[in-house]
Amino acid sequence: KAGVTQTPRYLIKTRGQQVTLSCSPISGHRSVSWYQQTPGQGLQFLFEYFSETQRNKGNFPGRFSGRQFSNSRSEMNVSTLELGDSALYLCASSMRPLNEKLFFGSGTQLSVL
Amino acid sequence: ELKVEQNPLFLSMQEGKNYTIYCNYSTTSDRLYWYRQDPGKSLESLFVLLSNGAVKQEGRLMASLDTKARLSTLHITAAVHDLSATYFCAVTMDSNYQLIWGAGTKLIIKP
Repeated sequence: KAGVTQTPRYLIKTRGQQVTLSCSPISGHRSVSWYQQTPGQGLQFLFEYFSETQRNKGNFPGRFSGRQFSNSRSEMNVSTLELGDSALYLCASSMRPLNEKLFFGSGTQLSVL
Repeated sequence: ELKVEQNPLFLSMQEGKNYTIYCNYSTTSDRLYWYRQDPGKSLESLFVLLSNGAVKQEGRLMASLDTKARLSTLHITAAVHDLSATYFCAVTMDSNYQLIWGAGTKLIIKP
């Protein structure tokens, strides 16, 4: 069974640009959540989707957005990039949220110059 | 606001020793998760603890949850070098799909 796939693996952008990250969950998993990991702030929740509905969003500005498609694949978008957006962005999937383990992808390492 | 505190944040220990990592959280929750992260790698789920008194064990790792004390422990028995990693705990508020993470405990096990 294939794991959670995140693309691209590495990304370099400049301030002011926008970026779209992709996440393909494990087959059959309908919940997808996104996290930002930085050395200073640690792991922070971005948002969670289930059956194309965003059910919760973390404390991030509106520049961070996401969506989930009918096949459960998810994308997150960051507009008007800032230097502080440099981070490892992790996606996780599960069949049902909360009561079972999350399976994480390898992440997208975003560098904003 | 839900806050999660782990201690210690850094732990260096010898192989064969036992030690415990602590995870405290600030408000009511009955779901606690432990994850492992190797350097440059993603997160791997270790345990999901869903009720007060829950205890789970896998290999040399054992996790427990005391919801009344708002405390979870991750106990390492007879540590081996392969357990060197950063360990995170995370908590959700009831009916909330948002995971709140601890800062992580970096564990180094020396031969």
